[in-house]
Amino acid sequence: DAMVIQNPRYQVTQFGKPVTLSCSQTLNHNVMYWYQQKSSQAPKLLFHYYDKDFNNEADTPDNFQSRRPNTSFCFLDIRSPGLGDAAMYLCATSRGRAYEQFFGPGTRLTVL
Amino acid sequence: GEDVEQSLFLSVREGDSSVINCTYTDSSSTYLYWYKQEPGAGLQLLTYIFSNMDMKQDQRLTVLLNKKDKHLSLRIADTQTGDSAIYFCAEKGINTDKLIFGTGTRLQVFP
Repeated sequence: DAMVIQNPRYQVTQFGKPVTLSCSQTLNHNVMYWYQQKSSQAPKLLFHYYDKDFNNEADTPDNFQSRRPNTSFCFLDIRSPGLGDAAMYLCATSRGRAYEQFFGPGTRLTVL
Repeated sequence: GEDVEQSLFLSVREGDSSVINCTYTDSSSTYLYWYKQEPGAGLQLLTYIFSNMDMKQDQRLTVLLNKKDKHLSLRIADTQTGDSAIYFCAEKGINTDKLIFGTGTRLQVFP
């Protein structure tokens, strides 16, 4: 089945230690998104790629970066995780602006 | 600015209908979505409606849109315990890739 895959499902890192979260998709969608969802809150968009074009949200901290080496993969890099970055990170894909977004299962990040 | 609001909790008896409400402020919203999130999981797209529609039905789900009042609702008929989850509405404008999510409604179904 075509799907959005996130690895790992659970990630533990230490304060200040860089961490990379991975997302892949078999849907061949043009757009890939990264959302941050803190406990009992709505998902918040960090950034997205439309093909190779990177779009950063204005309030996304510089600590968060992303790479999309090809259509299928997108990575979220957190350069120096703080305790406040502990959250569920959700990847989503879509064919384009007029189409719905499909979400992966998420990676739950714990910062010690 | 953009704002999407939902009531926080809803509790229903198994077999009854559930109605989850959502209000939004962006009049240029073109697409409105309902997502379901079970504990520790990602978001599952349930259904969506275009702003030029008033109603959409999909099996047990009925979406109603009142564009004048900027009010969206999701009705789940014959609610089951497996429907217990958090339900998010979300809106998107025609010229943006960004989804604006509501605060989420936690639906609890009791036997």
